[in-house]
Amino acid sequence: GQQLNQSPQSMFIQEGEDVSMNCTSSSIFNTWLWYKQDPGEGPVLLIALYKAGELTSNGRLTAQFGITRKDSFLNISASIPSDVGIYFCAGLKRGQGAQKLVFGQGTRLTINP
Amino acid sequence: AAGVIQSPRHLIKEKRETATLKCYPIPRHDTVYWYQQGPGQDPQFLISFYEKMQSDKGSIPDRFSAQQFSDYHSELNMSSLELGDSALYFCASSLTDSGGLGTQYFGPGTRLLVL
Repeated sequence: GQQLNQSPQSMFIQEGEDVSMNCTSSSIFNTWLWYKQDPGEGPVLLIALYKAGELTSNGRLTAQFGITRKDSFLNISASIPSDVGIYFCAGLKRGQGAQKLVFGQGTRLTINP
Repeated sequence: AAGVIQSPRHLIKEKRETATLKCYPIPRHDTVYWYQQGPGQDPQFLISFYEKMQSDKGSIPDRFSAQQFSDYHSELNMSSLELGDSALYFCASSLTDSGGLGTQYFGPGTRLLVL
C-alpha cells in the first residue's frame, strides 16, 4: 500500500548530538503526525501538525509541516539516552469517512553513551 | 489523561484457534482503528469504525472480523489462527472531523503469539 518515504532508516549518534529526520510523499497530506515507539509498546504521539508551514515544538523536539504539504521533518536537540527508539512519521488525507494513517518506514535511533 | 486501553496485553494461541482482542478508546472519541505490526515493520491498517459503523477496511484477512459496540469499545475477532498472524496488534482512537481527519492515539498493543 501507499507509504511515506522516511529517512534515514537508522541513526547512530553520540549523546548530546542533534538529530534530524524527514518524510516525503508524492502526494499532498492534510495532517502530519510524528510518533515514537519503544520495543513492544504502542506508538506515542510526539507532535501533530495541521497546517502547511506550521512549525511546532514539544520540549527538545521540533517538527514542521512542509509548505508544499508533501513533506515534514522532525528535529531532536541535545539527544539523551531515553530518546532511543523508532520514530514514525504518519500522514492523513481528507476523505470520506475516518481516514487511516499512512506511515513512513520508521527511523531507528541508537545513542552511544 | 485517559489513554486507549487494550486487553489482553499478551496472548498465546495454537494454530486454528480463535482469539478476541479488546479495545477501549479514549472517552468521547468516536473512531477506533485496528493496526497490525510485524517485526521491523510499520503498523499496517486493518479496519476502522466511526460511530459504531465500519468506516474503512485495509488488509484484513477474511478470517478476522471486528465490531464497535454501543459503549464505543471495539473487539477484533481472529479465527483459524495461522503462524503468520503472530504480531503486535494496536488499537488507536480519535475524534474525527467532517473531513475524516482525527489525530490518532494508540493503545499499548496486544502481542499475539501463534504456536
